[in-house]
Amino acid sequence: GQQLNQSPQSMFIQEGEDVSMNCTSSSIFNTWLWYKQDPGEGPVLLIALYKAGELTSNGRLTAQFGITRKDSFLNISASIPSDVGIYFCAGPNAGGTSYGKLTFGQGTILTVHP
Amino acid sequence: GAVVSQHPSRVICKSGTSVKIECRSLDFQATTMFWYRQFPKKSLMLMATSNEGSKATYEQGVEKDKFLINHASLTLSTLTVTSAHPEDSSFYICSATGYTEAFFGQGTRLTVV
Repeated sequence: GQQLNQSPQSMFIQEGEDVSMNCTSSSIFNTWLWYKQDPGEGPVLLIALYKAGELTSNGRLTAQFGITRKDSFLNISASIPSDVGIYFCAGPNAGGTSYGKLTFGQGTILTVHP
Repeated sequence: GAVVSQHPSRVICKSGTSVKIECRSLDFQATTMFWYRQFPKKSLMLMATSNEGSKATYEQGVEKDKFLINHASLTLSTLTVTSAHPEDSSFYICSATGYTEAFFGQGTRLTVV
């Protein structure tokens, strides 16, 4: 089946630092999604990307849909303690467009030290 | 915005018993809902697609007799873990799709002792 390889697995940073994480796939995705999961909660959508090359921002977050449609990155600028959590990339299964059946990356655990 | 609610948020049950988890879409109708399973600090794995008024579709390797899914109305899907065993302990998360995104429930932590 499809796999999304997400890196890094974990990050320990100081408050105020910028963060970058990325996802790659051996197959093409038509949509790239970035989610954040707080402990004991379900994932919440941060950014959705629909077109190759698209660069989208949401506050301090910026994400890009790779030109090859096989990769994406998420940047967080000027991190704050509430950025702590697990970040996942995700895409619709089998290159489709359904937002329900998603393949998730392994996740990046972000820890921010005040 | 759209909200998906799961209940209970935590449940502890004895080995051999069955546990039902509810997933509700609170302000929109969902003909399709999805159930995921997540192990600690791991990714979400799609278990099954819940279809209103028809049988659920299970992903490869997921036992349909172990994880019973019922989608009796446009706002409610239930997942029943039957004859639960300690290896079924996990975080179960449902989702429902709106127009442009999937909304996730807050998850249910199941512990089988």
